[in-house]
Amino acid sequence: EAGVAQSPRYKIIEKRQSVAFWCNPISGHATLYWYQQILGQGPKLLIQFQNNGVVDDSQLPKDRFSAERLKGVDSTLKIQPAKLEDSAVYLCASSSRSGLLVGEQYFGPGTRLTVT
Amino acid sequence: DAKTTQPTSMDCAEGRAANLPCNHSTISGNEYVYWYRQIHSQGPQYIIHGLKNNETNEMASLIITEDRKSSTLILPHATLRDTAVYYCIVRLPIGSSNTGKLIFGQGTTLQVKP
Repeated sequence: EAGVAQSPRYKIIEKRQSVAFWCNPISGHATLYWYQQILGQGPKLLIQFQNNGVVDDSQLPKDRFSAERLKGVDSTLKIQPAKLEDSAVYLCASSSRSGLLVGEQYFGPGTRLTVT
Repeated sequence: DAKTTQPTSMDCAEGRAANLPCNHSTISGNEYVYWYRQIHSQGPQYIIHGLKNNETNEMASLIITEDRKSSTLILPHATLRDTAVYYCIVRLPIGSSNTGKLIFGQGTTLQVKP
């Protein structure tokens, strides 16, 4: 079974530039998550999709971050314009759903963003 | 979601059991205990979860106290590849007001030494 794919793996941009990250979840997984992980901290959920609908985006800085999951499969996360404090690893995860529990989350390798 | 408390770091000798504690004294009756780990430069990896009973799988064992206020993740024979940050998370099942999301804390950095 192929895992969660993310690209690019690394990105360096200057502040005020734009950047986009792509995620391809495990086939058949209805739930997709984007996390931000700042160095030395645990991952923080930015947005959660169920199929192509947003379930939770309470932690997403909507003035600069946007995400979409067209057709309920792949997803992109965009930052426009980037700030220095956006330097972090952006992780994508997916899970299936079984009854009252969302199944364990499978994480991709992440995209390391450096904003200079 | 209930908050968890874990030691910042722990060491373990290779081949010995690693016992990672987690305190979740404010856990509610329907919250599950989950453990994930994150090896350097990789995404987190699911290890195990439980509600009330002890659980075991091919990776680890999870011991939950009877009052459910604390738990211990046991890696029975730690190897150098088990060096990672281990996260203990309590999580509600999906409901009308809950999405089942994971909230990660700082975790415990486990260093397995030769």
